[in-house]
Amino acid sequence: DVKVTQSSRYLVKRTGEKVFLECVQDMDHENMFWYRQDPGLGLRLIYFSYDVKMKEKGDIPEGYSVSREKKERFSLILESASTNQTSMYLCASSFTGGGSFNEQFFGPGTRLTVL
Amino acid sequence: AQSVSQHNHHVILSEAASLELGCNYSYGGTVNLFWYVQYPGQHLQLLLKYFSGDPLVKGIKGFEAEFIKSKFSFNLRKPSVQWSDTAEYFCAVNAAGSARQLTFGSGTQLTVLP
Repeated sequence: DVKVTQSSRYLVKRTGEKVFLECVQDMDHENMFWYRQDPGLGLRLIYFSYDVKMKEKGDIPEGYSVSREKKERFSLILESASTNQTSMYLCASSFTGGGSFNEQFFGPGTRLTVL
Repeated sequence: AQSVSQHNHHVILSEAASLELGCNYSYGGTVNLFWYVQYPGQHLQLLLKYFSGDPLVKGIKGFEAEFIKSKFSFNLRKPSVQWSDTAEYFCAVNAAGSARQLTFGSGTQLTVLP
């Protein structure tokens, strides 16, 4: 079974703090993704990476950055957290290759509250 | 860029009722299509997927979906829902052969009353 783990289930931070969300997958997947999930808006892609040290902006990258130093780990960074970044953050990974059809596997999510 | 519409935001059904959740996408090329489900307190998991072949796809827990290319639709169905089907359901599309990313709909919250 593919396992995607996220460092925290719940996180509370203060406005202006630097926040790190970590994601690790154990299936040697090339692709990793960060989404935020908000009621009525579904999942919106923040950033994704298709290889180590590679990153691509998604639909809502403003206020976020990412880091992928190792294939299995993908970090989301909020340089200066703001209250409008209070949300559920989901990490996902996928395999590129025959038979995958870009199916993504998700972690449990981190519910971030910025006060 | 592709987009996905789920027109039903919240659906309430009684147990044993039939379910159909709508999903329409906008993309003219070949697509891979997915339905994911998120049970309360759990992570998103795949219900079913379509990539080619028979447009009627069967998934887990008795769910199925039909791809109608002419209507750009991929509706999810279940003939008889159970209380345990209470969850949020997301439709997603991938432009086959090119992008790695999925585009998700806004989700449909299904509540099944016992």
